[in-house]
Amino acid sequence: KNQVEQSPQSLIILEGKNCTLQCNYTVSPFSNLRWYKQDTGRGPVSLTIMTFSENTKSNGRYTATLDADTKQSSLHITASQLSDSASYICVVSLASGTYKYIFGTGTRLKVLA
Amino acid sequence: DADVTQTPRNRITKTGKRIMLECSQTKGHDRMYWYRQDPGLGLRLIYYSFDVKDINKGEISDGYSVSRQAQAKFSLSLESAIPNQTALYFCATSDPLDRGGSYNEQFFGPGTRLTVL
Repeated sequence: KNQVEQSPQSLIILEGKNCTLQCNYTVSPFSNLRWYKQDTGRGPVSLTIMTFSENTKSNGRYTATLDADTKQSSLHITASQLSDSASYICVVSLASGTYKYIFGTGTRLKVLA
Repeated sequence: DADVTQTPRNRITKTGKRIMLECSQTKGHDRMYWYRQDPGLGLRLIYYSFDVKDINKGEISDGYSVSRQAQAKFSLSLESAIPNQTALYFCATSDPLDRGGSYNEQFFGPGTRLTVL
């Protein structure tokens, strides 16, 4: 069964600290993996996208890694800011089939001053 | 994303009422989707459409129906609302072609918060 699992479910950190969110997937055939940021009450917005051949991608203070062998991805946030408080959703796309998106349940991050 | 709009943004209704949620997009994408989001469950697919004449059920379509009036418009209806349909509803679009390295990225609307009493 195609599945995407994220950990932790929630996380609280102090402003300025770093954190790492995890995503494990069992999806086949794999096409790409995307991390979305979802602010409270808003729709998800794409942060990074990685294909099978890519193992790291950065977007400002956000760095995503992908290990296609172990089927794991991580999202590292450096020097966190209050505005990073949001849910982060890992989405894996299938390389075939009509509907291509397998969603994780997300990690809720809260950054405290 | 301003390119995908949803109306209404908030709605409170009563059990048994019919309600329609509307989605419009200016991205020119053929593919559109309806999701619901509940706390702790993530996004779940209700229906999706790959063009005006194509409608497909998602994993939780019972109690919902959709209409694709045009490429840019995709509506979700609850024929007889019930309290467990209280949720946050999102519309999304995607481009099936990998234009500019989009890799089938989905673009989400701002959501509709629906409460059924």
